[in-house]
Formats: sequence, C-alpha cells, structure tokens
Amino acid sequence: AIRMTQSPSSLSASTGDRVTITCRASQGISSYLAWYQQKPGKAPKLLIYAASTLQSGVPSRFSGSGSGTDFTLTISCLQSEDFATYYCQQYYSYPRTFGGGTKVEIK
Amino acid sequence: QVQLQESGPGLVKPSQTLSLTCTVSGGSISSGGYYWSWIRQHPGKGLEWIGYIYYSGSTYYNPSLKSRVTISVDTSKNQFSLKLSSVTAADTAVYYCARDHSYGLSYWGQGTLVTVSS
Repeated sequence: AIRMTQSPSSLSASTGDRVTITCRASQGISSYLAWYQQKPGKAPKLLIYAASTLQSGVPSRFSGSGSGTDFTLTISCLQSEDFATYYCQQYYSYPRTFGGGTKVEIK
Repeated sequence: QVQLQESGPGLVKPSQTLSLTCTVSGGSISSGGYYWSWIRQHPGKGLEWIGYIYYSGSTYYNPSLKSRVTISVDTSKNQFSLKLSSVTAADTAVYYCARDHSYGLSYWGQGTLVTVSS
C-alpha cells in the first residue's frame, strides 16, 4: 500500500495567516491526490481533487499543488471556520490511503 | 443532492459480527460510475479505508481487513452493507459510508460510532 505522510501533524495559526500543509507519497501517484477537511464530530469534506482542482463550493483561499510524490495544501488567509483537521488521500491505487492528518488550531 | 446514511447497532460484542447498512438517496447506486465505499476512524485517530463495492457486485477490500470484511449491495433498496467478523475492541470506530468517484470521496454519510464491548 502507498504510504501518505503529512506534516506537520498540528499547527497553531491566527486568523488571516497563510498556512501550508505538506503531504508526501511513498511512491509516485501522479496527480491522484485529494484533500479533505474534517471538523469535530463531522464527516470529512472533499476540498481539492486532482492535486489542485477545487471542489465546487470550496472558497478560493484554498489551493493545492504538486505531483508525483510531493503535494501541498495552502490556505491563503485563514478564517475562523478553517480551524479543523486536514487529510490528504491518494486515489492512484487501491487500497486508498490517507495521511495522518494535520490539525489546524487557533493560536 | 446525493445523501448517504449509515445505520446499524452501536454496540457489538467481541468475537461477533459488525453489520452496517448505508442507504443512498438522491441518486441510484445502479447508475454506475461510482464505487460505494466504507471508511472508518478510530477515536481521535486518522482515516482507514475499508473497501468498496460497485453496483455490479465487484468488490475490493483493504488487505489489512480482507479476511474479515464482506461488502454487499442491494440495488433494489439502493443500499450497500458492511459486515466485519470476529470483532475486537480494536474495531471500535466511527464507520462512514461514502461515494468514491474517479476524483476522490465526494459524498459521505454522517458516520456511526460502533463500540465493541461485552
């Protein structure tokens, strides 16, 4: 199975900050990468697919980049509703695998 | 708007079989093009993909759980189901059903907590 490694595992930031989360795949996955946002007690929500394509309805302050093995999720101007845990997931092959998550907390 | 809803017992005894059903509304499982999936999340932990079923009945299971997992589909009820046998406390988790497209898991159920305890 492809291993997905996210960093950092947590970060503290303030509203208005620019935040970057990285995700590394143990082997090349082209651009078959998705990012999800999960709030406490809720199901994950798809934010980005194909490494950089914003899901419909997702604010433009979210962006994704990368291909191959290294990927980033950037939130350009953190809003209060963005405090959550973020996961990357590869859909290059089965079994689908997720990163360990990055918890974005209020500083 | 597609919606998914998990249902099933919230408490299962050790060594028994966990059984959950996901009811899909706002779209037909039989329409094809999607893989109907189960994912779980241990308390306070990350996400673990369990497996999928296609409307035709073809399946793929996570090798880590393959010996204990069965996913089935009932297109007449627009439902798909998960069975996990020989459960232990390590199977205590929130279980989600989701629709897997070629670009990720676009629709999720709200999740249901299953506790394994005697």
